[in-house]
Amino acid sequence: GAVVSQHPSRVICKSGTSVKIECRSLDFQATTMFWYRQFPKQSLMLMATSNEGSKATYEQGVEKDKFLINHASLTLSTLTVTSAHPEDSSFYICSARDGGGKSEQFFGPGTRLTVL
Amino acid sequence: ELKVEQNPLFLSMQEGKNYTIYCNYSTTSDRLYWYRQDPGKSLESLFVLLSNGAVKQEGRLMASLDTKARLSTLHITAAVHDLSATYFCAVVYTGTASKLTFGTGTRLQVTL
Repeated sequence: GAVVSQHPSRVICKSGTSVKIECRSLDFQATTMFWYRQFPKQSLMLMATSNEGSKATYEQGVEKDKFLINHASLTLSTLTVTSAHPEDSSFYICSARDGGGKSEQFFGPGTRLTVL
Repeated sequence: ELKVEQNPLFLSMQEGKNYTIYCNYSTTSDRLYWYRQDPGKSLESLFVLLSNGAVKQEGRLMASLDTKARLSTLHITAAVHDLSATYFCAVVYTGTASKLTFGTGTRLQVTL
């Protein structure tokens, strides 16, 4: 149980275009989902926390107008990178939590974004 | 500032040897996780440590937590090549709405 999927797993796009990444909890209802970014050989940095039906909470330094997050249902959150640029190229990982604060986060397989 | 530091950042060890990875964190935490990440892959959960003195073991890996020292260790016993990966600790700091703060990561390379 507790499987989280991401789609696509890999995407290459041109500079200036927008890219949408989906994160789904397959066998549980995710009240909270988290979006992380990981640059090569670096750690994971939390970008934002999204709760179903409400606006996402962004970490300091993350542009909310550039990284649009929607959590419209208990099994789906989306991250849209708007007007992507090469510096947005990264590994994006989502996680989902099925309950209250002490419950574990389950991680998706990640999406490799390359902006040309 | 909520920081999590790991050392070493890179560890090359021979098969059969023992070693310890250290994870220091900066203030009171609710729980601490250890994860493994293979190249190009996402995270695999290894352990969650909830209280002072907690010790968990799985195969050749053993994790412990000392909340007074704000220190967790991941001990590797008789390393094998399959353990080669990057290991992260991550802390849920008290009062942060269960957000994970990740350590810098330790890249482990086990050589034959």
